[in-house]
Amino acid sequence: EAGVAQSPRYKIIEKRQSVAFWCNPISGHATLYWYQQILGQGPKLLIQFQNNGVVDDSQLPKDRFSAERLKGVDSTLKIQPAKLEDSAVYLCASSLDPHPDRNTEAFFGQGTRLTVV
Amino acid sequence: ELKVEQNPLFLSMQEGKNYTIYCNYSTTSDRLYWYRQDPGKSLESLFVLLSNGAVKQEGRLMASLDTKARLSTLHITAAVHDLSATYFCAVRGMVFGNEKLTFGTGTRLTIIP
Repeated sequence: EAGVAQSPRYKIIEKRQSVAFWCNPISGHATLYWYQQILGQGPKLLIQFQNNGVVDDSQLPKDRFSAERLKGVDSTLKIQPAKLEDSAVYLCASSLDPHPDRNTEAFFGQGTRLTVV
Repeated sequence: ELKVEQNPLFLSMQEGKNYTIYCNYSTTSDRLYWYRQDPGKSLESLFVLLSNGAVKQEGRLMASLDTKARLSTLHITAAVHDLSATYFCAVRGMVFGNEKLTFGTGTRLTIIP
């Protein structure tokens, strides 16, 4: 079974530039997550989709970050304009179903390492 | 807001020794996950703990969950070098429709030969 695919693996941009990341979840997984992991810290949820609807974006800096999941499959995360503090690894994850009574184990992609200079 | 704390943050131990990593969380949950992360790599799922008193073991790692104490432990038995990694616990909130997974700060484990 193919895992969660992310691209690109690495990206270096200057501050105030824009950048986009792409994620293809595991086939059939309804829930998709974007996490930000700053060096030395645990992943922090940015946004959670259930199919193509947003479940939680409370920690997404909406003045500069945006995400979409058209057709409920692939997703893109965009940062515009980037700041130095956005340097981090952006992890995409997917799970079969977030319902509390069902197994909701999240599977993670390899991540995109963003460096803002 | 759900908060998850791990300790210790850093752990250096000799091969063959036993040790325990602790994960405390602040609000009710009955679903806890342990992940492993190698440097520069993504997160690998180790254990899913679904109920109070749950215990799971895989090789030299054993995880347990006490939902009343809001505590999970990851016990390492007779450590070997290839267990060196960062270990994260993650707790799922129980608000229906918002089962956000909140991660702990991680424990960086280094096994010294």
